[in-house]
Amino acid sequence: DIQMTQSPSSVSASVGDTITITCRASQGVGNWLAWYQQKPGKAPKILIYEAASLHSGVSSRFRGSGSGTYFTLTITSLQPEDFASYYCQQTNSFPFTFGGGTKVEIK
Amino acid sequence: QVQLVESGGGVVQPGESLRLSCAASTFTFSDYGMHWVRQAPGKGLEWVAFIRYDGSDKQYVASVKGRFTISRDNSKNTLDLQMNSLRVEDTAVYFCAAGFSSSLDYWGPGTLVTVSS
Repeated sequence: DIQMTQSPSSVSASVGDTITITCRASQGVGNWLAWYQQKPGKAPKILIYEAASLHSGVSSRFRGSGSGTYFTLTITSLQPEDFASYYCQQTNSFPFTFGGGTKVEIK
Repeated sequence: QVQLVESGGGVVQPGESLRLSCAASTFTFSDYGMHWVRQAPGKGLEWVAFIRYDGSDKQYVASVKGRFTISRDNSKNTLDLQMNSLRVEDTAVYFCAAGFSSSLDYWGPGTLVTVSS
């Protein structure tokens, strides 16, 4: 199975900040990498698919990049609604493993 | 607006069975691969199972292979997860999710399964 490692596990930031979350795969997954946002008590929502493609309706403040084994999610100009948990997921091969998550908290 | 709604969660004892369902509406269900993803209390997401749009391929995470069975009925727009021999570690919120291609694009709100003696 492909292991997905996210870092950091949590980050404190202020409204207006820019943050970057990284996701590393234990073996290459091409660009088959998705990012999700999850708020407490809610289902995850897709943000980015195929490493860098923005899902319909998602703010352009979210930017994904990377390929192979190293990926990043950058959120620019953090807004109050962005404080949530974020997960990466590889969809290159089954099982479609998730990273451990990154909680973005208000400083 | 794509709608997915899970049902069937509840409290069961270890070794018992439970069947989850997911009702889909307002999209062409038969075009989408379907997944089950779970989240233990206070933990991260764990992908559980997948079924191809036409039901011809099914995949499972190792920890549920042989115990869980995913199925779908495209005529009724429903997805099921039959869970047998449940363990305490299966306790989680179970989400169904639809993916047209390379990601899980639409999610239901989830249903809680608690396995406890």
